[in-house]
Amino acid sequence: GAVVSQHPSWVICKSGTSVKIECRSLDFQATTMFWYRQFPKQSLMLMATSNEGSKATYEQGVEKDKFLINHASLTLSTLTVTSAHPEDSSFYICSAPWGGIRREQYFGPGTRLTVT
Amino acid sequence: AQKVTQAQTEISVVEKEDVTLDCVYETRDTTYYLFWYKQPPSGELVFLIRRNSFDEQNEISGRYSWNFQKSTSSFNFTITASQVVDSAVYFCALSEREYGNKLVFGAGTILRVKS
Repeated sequence: GAVVSQHPSWVICKSGTSVKIECRSLDFQATTMFWYRQFPKQSLMLMATSNEGSKATYEQGVEKDKFLINHASLTLSTLTVTSAHPEDSSFYICSAPWGGIRREQYFGPGTRLTVT
Repeated sequence: AQKVTQAQTEISVVEKEDVTLDCVYETRDTTYYLFWYKQPPSGELVFLIRRNSFDEQNEISGRYSWNFQKSTSSFNFTITASQVVDSAVYFCALSEREYGNKLVFGAGTILRVKS
């Protein structure tokens, strides 16, 4: 079945630094990928839609300059948290739709970001 | 705007009890899709079911069953004879399209199954 991977699975960084998170569709192509953020004990909130070959679409309230998204290829989307602050500490999850037999959206395992 | 409400924040049951997780949704679309996901402590979302708005048939998969009622905008999930391994956070979600669109998630229900 379709698999979506994320790297790294967890990262600790210092306040003010930037962190890049990768989302890959391993055995299928994804022209669209979605980035979600999940704070502790809360639900998943969509941050942005990553589009291959065009700019990402951000949800209201999400800072475009802080959360840079690049859909570099049909199998890779990256999320860069720039000038990270402790309040950016969260669980970041990507997903990619796949039109295979099950026609479902596949989620990556998530990346836990801790900003100290 | 689309909205999903899971009013039960946390449920605790003893193993072998049946448990129902409630999900109420709001949408103006006539075509929409409903999902249930399981999130174990590892964090990775596990797909459980997808249902489109034109199919109100209830579905059973092993110990899991789902009751979709458009009249009350509800899509409830029942686990029969619960097991400790069922302990997780369960999310109900709504999408305008079957698989190519973003999902709107409910707040989630924490299910704790005690032995």
